Amino acid sequence: QVQLQESGPGLVKPSQTLSLTCTVSGDSISSGGSFWSWIRQYPGKGLEWIGYMYYSGTTYYNPSLKSRVTMSVDTSKNQFSLKLSSVTAADTAVYYCARYCSSASCSGYFDYWGQGTPVTVSS
Amino acid sequence: QSALTQPASVSGSPGQSITISCTGTSSDVGSYNLVSWYQQHPGKAPKLMIYEVTKRPSGVSNHFSGSRSGNTASLTISGLQAEDEADYYCCSYAGSSTLVFGGGTKLTVL
Repeated sequence: QVQLQESGPGLVKPSQTLSLTCTVSGDSISSGGSFWSWIRQYPGKGLEWIGYMYYSGTTYYNPSLKSRVTMSVDTSKNQFSLKLSSVTAADTAVYYCARYCSSASCSGYFDYWGQGTPVTVSS
Repeated sequence: QSALTQPASVSGSPGQSITISCTGTSSDVGSYNLVSWYQQHPGKAPKLMIYEVTKRPSGVSNHFSGSRSGNTASLTISGLQAEDEADYYCCSYAGSSTLVFGGGTKLTVL
């Protein structure tokens, strides 16, 4: 059973950098066939794709966030991370990590999600 | 890259059928078979219900089905049940290795 767990500060000050880590169990990030993703959900509803990365370190970001987003992977710990710089109140959301299945046997969907971690941007 | 358009809310009575639309463009929904649908109950993570426009993962009830016409994908729930009450989101590949979600639809079972 694949499980993902987000961790990181729940409160970030404006203009600072939001940093979150996702720990994966039940699958190896370096096994390939999946993109490891970050998604956020604003208060009240909408989901927004932030970006995803392959175990090799190749990253793909939402164009609207690209200038502020950095994702990285630590295969030795089976973890991947998100950094979002220069945050404002508009970045307040629940942040999810998820596995995006994309291989010869599966394509184009999020099959496993973390439980989500709320992050508030406030001074 | 704009969010896909979904109705804010839909409702139906138990046993009825409802359809939730997801309208994109020829650059996303209309061009790729990589449309998926997710169900989200309050306080929970989204759950995959449909992938590749029409396919159902194992374990998902066959009263959920997906389709597409042009730039609009649709999720149909037949034989509504109380436990189907949730928020539903579509997601599409949008080219250049990017993804886009819909704004979400709240389904109320009357």
